[in-house]
Amino acid sequence: AQSVSQHNHHVILSEAASLELGCNYSYGGTVNLFWYVQYPGQHLQLLLKYFSGDPLVKGIKGFEAEFIKSKFSFNLRKPSVQWSDTAEYFCAVYGQNFVFGPGTRLSVLP
Amino acid sequence: AAGVIQSPRHLIKEKRETATLKCYPIPRHDTVYWYQQGPGQDPQFLISFYEKMQSDKGSIPDRFSAQQFSDYHSELNMSSLELGDSALYFCASSTRGGRGDFYEQYFGPGTRLTVT
Repeated sequence: AQSVSQHNHHVILSEAASLELGCNYSYGGTVNLFWYVQYPGQHLQLLLKYFSGDPLVKGIKGFEAEFIKSKFSFNLRKPSVQWSDTAEYFCAVYGQNFVFGPGTRLSVLP
Repeated sequence: AAGVIQSPRHLIKEKRETATLKCYPIPRHDTVYWYQQGPGQDPQFLISFYEKMQSDKGSIPDRFSAQQFSDYHSELNMSSLELGDSALYFCASSTRGGRGDFYEQYFGPGTRLTVT
């Protein structure tokens, strides 16, 4: 069955630190990949998506993600986080069906 | 810009009661998705509709049903409510060409259902 895993349950960083959140999926076919963010008390918002083409995709708010097909990974990165990036981040994959990862809670300390 | 609208935003029901959640997609979006997010959990896909027909089915319980109407709004009907149904229910909408293509989804604010 298709599944999505995220490496960290909770990440704590100081402002200006670099961020990388891991996402791996299990599905051998063609996939569409997404990262969503959920700020406290708010609904899910799309950060970025990959359908095809350049495996390095840039999203909103300075986020980017790289699709590495051989590793079944789609890691999210940001060079310098801000306090306002504190949120829950969900990786999602559409292959056989649409599946969210368990989420990673990011806490950025001012 | 117009966003996905969900109503009600909060709903409190007792066990064994029924509930109806409504979702109004972004104008010109033809596809609606329903998700359930339990406390501290990731969203679970329930069901989706494309052009008023069910297109994909996820982990939707048999006690739940949904439909999409001619104006593309959708309703999720939940019967014989259980304590475990307490969750945030998200609706999302998108445009897509056909079954199996999950284009960019725009999420609504959710309906928080509490079953007591």
